[in-house]
Amino acid sequence: AQTVTQSQPEMSVQEAETVTLSCTYDTSESDYYLFWYKQPPSRQMILVIRQEAYKQQNATENRFSVNFQKAAKSFSLKISDSQLGDAAMYFCAYRSAGAQKLVFGQGTRLTINP
Amino acid sequence: NAGVTQTPKFRILKIGQSMTLQCTQDMNHNYMYWYRQDPGMGLKLIYYSVGAGITDKGEVPNGYNVSRSTTEDFPLRLELAAPSQTSVYFCASKAGALVTGELFFGEGSRLTVL
Repeated sequence: AQTVTQSQPEMSVQEAETVTLSCTYDTSESDYYLFWYKQPPSRQMILVIRQEAYKQQNATENRFSVNFQKAAKSFSLKISDSQLGDAAMYFCAYRSAGAQKLVFGQGTRLTINP
Repeated sequence: NAGVTQTPKFRILKIGQSMTLQCTQDMNHNYMYWYRQDPGMGLKLIYYSVGAGITDKGEVPNGYNVSRSTTEDFPLRLELAAPSQTSVYFCASKAGALVTGELFFGEGSRLTVL
């Protein structure tokens, strides 16, 4: 069974600085998809960024980018120029190709210090 | 456009009581999901549905039931509530079968069983 591990329960960063959230996963499959979801204090979870495992190029969405290391099974999220609105729980998630189930990590609570 | 709407947002149950968590989406999505989120843990899939009249078990289905009589609605039924079912429940939907498809989440329902 696939597992997703986020080893940082909490992280904090100064406003305008850069922070990296870690995620590792375990799978024997070669075709899969990885996601980062953000859960603000209002609790509605939203998609931040996604990565297809067959793509070598790291995904980027504005200030959010990933460092995808397939061999190491690592999928970290980098947030540049951190803003107060980035404060939230961040979840890393995995889905096998052709499957419906998303496997989530435990989450990392990110605090932005003004 | 309301997206995914869950009710109630909060509920306290006594052991052995039953209740239904309601979930409605207005995006005409075929795929719908129920997750539970325990403190310090990632989300775990309870049940999912790929269309009206079709449901399937996820990782943790015991103690729950679902139905999908319409595309819009996917209620989650708790029979004989137990303290282990104390959790935050999230309903989510997705447009189609593409594994890269974004999940849209409701705001969650916090359930306490005493």
